[in-house]
Amino acid sequence: AQRVTQPEKLLSVFKGAPVELKCNYSYSGSPELFWYVQYSRQRLQLLLRHISRESIKGFTADLNKGETSFHLKKPFAQEEDSAMYYCALSPNTDKLIFGTGTRLQVFP
Amino acid sequence: DVKVTQSSRYLVKRTGEKVFLECVQDMDHENMFWYRQDPGLGLRLIYFSYDVKMKEKGDIPEGYSVSREKKERFSLILESASTNQTSMYLCASRPHRGSNTEAFFGQGTRLTVV
Repeated sequence: AQRVTQPEKLLSVFKGAPVELKCNYSYSGSPELFWYVQYSRQRLQLLLRHISRESIKGFTADLNKGETSFHLKKPFAQEEDSAMYYCALSPNTDKLIFGTGTRLQVFP
Repeated sequence: DVKVTQSSRYLVKRTGEKVFLECVQDMDHENMFWYRQDPGLGLRLIYFSYDVKMKEKGDIPEGYSVSREKKERFSLILESASTNQTSMYLCASRPHRGSNTEAFFGQGTRLTVV
């Protein structure tokens, strides 16, 4: 079955600390993987996608096919990073499957 | 700017009522999705549609149906609303896969069934 697992419901860090939000997926083919973010009172929006290998707002994510992981990382968290983060998988169809989400709280 | 618009931000309905949630997108996307968003459960796919009149069940289709008569509009129907369908409902649209396409979301409809 195609599945996305985000093991942490809540991650709390202090400003300036490194952040890693974990995402594991189960899919045997070549997936498309994404991170979406939802800031307070805003709609869900794309943060980054694995194919782009880009850094957005200081966040990066590397696809590790061996470990079937796509963890989201940022070396120095900012208060404005506080939000709900969802990892998403698009298998070999147009479907888009989300994980349960991780709430990131960054304290001053 | 891509726009995905859901017809209502808040709805309150009575148990047993038939409820229609409407979603319109203006970017000519082939794919449209309905999710429900619940704390601790994330976004769960109810149905998605990959073309006009075409649909596929998601993970939690029970108690729901959908309609896509026009490309830009995707409706979610609760045939007989129940209290366990109280939730935030999110609509999304997305072009066809093949270019790692981004999904665009509506602002959400918070449905309360009493």
